[in-house]
Amino acid sequence: QKEVEQNSGPLSVPEGAIASLNCTYSDRGSQSFFWYRQYSGKSPELIMFIYSNGDKEDGRFTAQLNKASQYVSLLIRDSQPSDSATYLCAVGGDQAAGNKLTFGGGTRVLVKP
Amino acid sequence: KAGVTQTPRYLIKTRGQQVTLSCSPISGHRSVSWYQQTPGQGLQFLFEYFSETQRNKGNFPGRFSGRQFSNSRSEMNVSTLELGDSALYLCASSFGDRDYTGELFFGEGSRLTVL
Repeated sequence: QKEVEQNSGPLSVPEGAIASLNCTYSDRGSQSFFWYRQYSGKSPELIMFIYSNGDKEDGRFTAQLNKASQYVSLLIRDSQPSDSATYLCAVGGDQAAGNKLTFGGGTRVLVKP
Repeated sequence: KAGVTQTPRYLIKTRGQQVTLSCSPISGHRSVSWYQQTPGQGLQFLFEYFSETQRNKGNFPGRFSGRQFSNSRSEMNVSTLELGDSALYLCASSFGDRDYTGELFFGEGSRLTVL
């Protein structure tokens, strides 16, 4: 059974600070990694994806991947109250897996003004 | 550009009944995936359809089925409903091509309550 683990939180972060979210996965064959954001009562929306080891930056977001440690992280710089949401880590397989993603339980982030 | 449209948004059924949910993907997207979201289990993959063919299937019983039409619209059906089927059912569309795998656009969901 493939598993994706996240700390459920809440992760409380002062406005302007860096929020650091972590995710571990069990399947070494995983090849694609995603971060989705889900506001309360809304559907998930994709904010980042990463396929190779290392860092990938997009605006205030940085995704980090370490396949050897089976670890993915998301950094949110200059956190804003609008970043308060649940962040879902999702892991995909090879091309044959298509859009079959395994999601973690999510980390709830609270950004306090 | 219109997003992913799911109908109905809310529905209430009783145990033993069946339900059909509909999803219209973003124009140009050929892949439709269905996920179930519950507080206890989180988001779980049900199945994916691409060009009218089921491309992947999750670990759900055969009571859960789906199909995709030539215009990429998709339906999922749950027969013989159980209390545990109460959940938010999310449809997600994508181009489906190898370069866009996992980049999903979710609809607002259909919230099913089974009494």
